[in-house]
Amino acid sequence: DTGVSQDPRHKITKRGQNVTFRCDPISEHNRLYWYRQTLGQGPEFLTYFQNEAQLEKSRLLSDRFSAERPKGSFSTLEIQRTEQGDSAMYLCASSLASGGPRTQYFGPGTRLLVL
Amino acid sequence: AQSVTQLGSHVSVSEGALVLLRCNYSSSVPPYLFWYVQYPNQGLQLLLKYTSAATLVKGINGFEAEFKKSETSFHLTKPSAHMSDAAEYFCAVTRGDTDKLIFGTGTRLQVFP
Repeated sequence: DTGVSQDPRHKITKRGQNVTFRCDPISEHNRLYWYRQTLGQGPEFLTYFQNEAQLEKSRLLSDRFSAERPKGSFSTLEIQRTEQGDSAMYLCASSLASGGPRTQYFGPGTRLLVL
Repeated sequence: AQSVTQLGSHVSVSEGALVLLRCNYSSSVPPYLFWYVQYPNQGLQLLLKYTSAATLVKGINGFEAEFKKSETSFHLTKPSAHMSDAAEYFCAVTRGDTDKLIFGTGTRLQVFP
C-alpha cells in the first residue's frame, strides 16, 4: 500500500527563484490538499482539489503561488519569485471524497529553505 | 469561524505515567475533531477522529480522546506513556461542508525514562 509521496524532500533556493513541488496521492484518492507548516506552528491550509477541480483556496495562497492537478492524479505547487518568508515545510495530503468526515493522509513533506 | 487552542506547547512525563494533552475548540457548527502525531522530519499521522458517533474515541497506539461539548474540549489521553510516544501532537477541527483542517499550534511531548 503506497502512501502519499512528495518530491523533492528538501529544496534550497535563492530568493527570487521559482520552485515547483510535486505530490502523488494515494492512488484511489480523488481529493488532494496542500498545507504549509512553519517552525513551531501547526499546518496551515493552502488549497484542495477534487479530481482536477480546485475547490478552495486560502488567502495565504498569494498570486505567487499556484497549484495544479491537471489529470486528477498528481499535483504540483509552484512558488514564483520566492521570498525568505516562504521557507517552510509544504505538506500534501489526500483523501477519498465519499463519506465524512474525510481522513486526510499526509505525505512526508517538502522542506523549503529560501536564502 | 473555527479555531483550536492547544494548552501547553511542551509536556513532559515519565515513562509509564499518564499522558494528557489538552485541546479546546471553537466552532459555530457541530465540529469534526482530529488528533494527529508528527515525528521529526515526517508528515502527520492520524491518531483518532471524532465524528459525532461516540463521545469517547479510541485511536491507535493506546490513545483516546473524549469529546465534551459543554467544555468545548477534546483532550487526548494515554494511560501509560512509552518512550516511542515522544513526538509533536496536533489537534485539528473542520466542519462538514469543507475539508479544510484548522490545526492548533501543537504540543511537544517528551517522555523521560
